[in-house]
Amino acid sequence: NAGVTQTPKFRILKIGQSMTLQCTQDMNHNYMYWYRQDPGMGLKLIYYSVGAGITDKGEVPNGYNVSRSTTEDFPLRLELAAPSQTSVYFCASTMGGDQPQHFGDGTRLSIL
Amino acid sequence: AQSVTQPDIHITVSEGASLELRCNYSYGATPYLFWYVQSPGQGLQLLLKYFSGDTLVQGIKGFEAEFKRSQSSFNLRKPSVHWSDAAEYFCAVGGGATNKLIFGTGTLLAVQP
Repeated sequence: NAGVTQTPKFRILKIGQSMTLQCTQDMNHNYMYWYRQDPGMGLKLIYYSVGAGITDKGEVPNGYNVSRSTTEDFPLRLELAAPSQTSVYFCASTMGGDQPQHFGDGTRLSIL
Repeated sequence: AQSVTQPDIHITVSEGASLELRCNYSYGATPYLFWYVQSPGQGLQLLLKYFSGDTLVQGIKGFEAEFKRSQSSFNLRKPSVHWSDAAEYFCAVGGGATNKLIFGTGTLLAVQP
């Protein structure tokens, strides 16, 4: 019963590099979300998906891209890493309706 | 605009004392309300949720919260705090077709022995 799995757990990037943060869930949830968490700011929604093949922007999408080719996977792509993208990234999923979101353990990303 | 306010950034209580964490929200429709807890270096764990019905909801670890529509509040309470309750607590509101959540900025709880 893995739930929401995020990889990697930690990563250091140089400015201008690219990377993909992986998120997989095994609960057959339709809805998936990417958040970033910065100190004192709570969680901000980057992108979300209501099902395979459907994605949409959240509150802070600039500098990120996503795809949802399967129900299970929802990768987040950083194309040109910038210091402002240093953050902790959380992936979450839910069945929808009155069900809560389930969170992964996060990816701690530093861009130097 | 939809928003969640947690007015207390940091709270310190003594072990065994009671606790109340405040949460106020602004949401156009009937809200779904949540409290999550985050231990250092961990993800968010659901404490409790409110969708409808009884306005006093019970959660895990002895926590409860009361929905007060007239005050747009959803405060979290615990009658006796344990040292293991030290963590950051987030209130969130959501709902609608996309089930998106809006989070407060969190309250960091410290527990004194």
